[in-house]
Amino acid sequence: SQKIEQNSEALNIQEGKTATLTCNYTNYSPAYLQWYRQDPGRGPVFLLLIRENEKEKRKERLKVTFDTTLKQSLFHITASQPADSATYLCALNHGSGNTGKLIFGQGTTLQVKP
Amino acid sequence: GAGVSQTPSNKVTEKGKYVELRCDPISGHTALYWYRQSLGQGPEFLIYFQGTGAADDSGLPNDRFFAVRPEGSVSTLKIQRTERGDSAVYLCASSLSPPDTQYFGPGTRLTVL
Repeated sequence: SQKIEQNSEALNIQEGKTATLTCNYTNYSPAYLQWYRQDPGRGPVFLLLIRENEKEKRKERLKVTFDTTLKQSLFHITASQPADSATYLCALNHGSGNTGKLIFGQGTTLQVKP
Repeated sequence: GAGVSQTPSNKVTEKGKYVELRCDPISGHTALYWYRQSLGQGPEFLIYFQGTGAADDSGLPNDRFFAVRPEGSVSTLKIQRTERGDSAVYLCASSLSPPDTQYFGPGTRLTVL
């Protein structure tokens, strides 16, 4: 069956450390994968998109890797801050053509302690 | 500019009633998506519009759910004969054209008593 899985347990780290979140998928062949941030009571906010032919993407303190052999994406936040505390969702595209239909993981909650 | 807006922000209804949820996408965005999110889960795809037509409605759970976008802008998600299991946050997103970045609204929290 098709699955997309993220760490279900919350990730607690100390301010200044690097947070690493994992997204694994099975029986999908996504052309791209996206990461979103979601705060309580709000809709998801887009962070980064990485395509199947890209191994790594960076944006400020954020870095995403995409390994289509392992069927895994890693999301890193360096020099983490309490303001980075939120739920982070990975999503991959699914369906023929460029429909933009996204399949989301269940999200991982990150708590950065001062 | 204005983002995606959704109304109402909260809707409480009784089992068996009919509800309509509205989404105003970002002006100029041709693609519009509806998702449903239950507590502790990621958003679950329901339906996608390209312009006025539903290009993919494979996520609608059953025929009680229906969505329209008659003029290619505002969309309404309609749920007939609501059930307690329909309780969730309904999210709308829009993009310039797929598979561009999707911009999400704040959602409508639907509670079916």
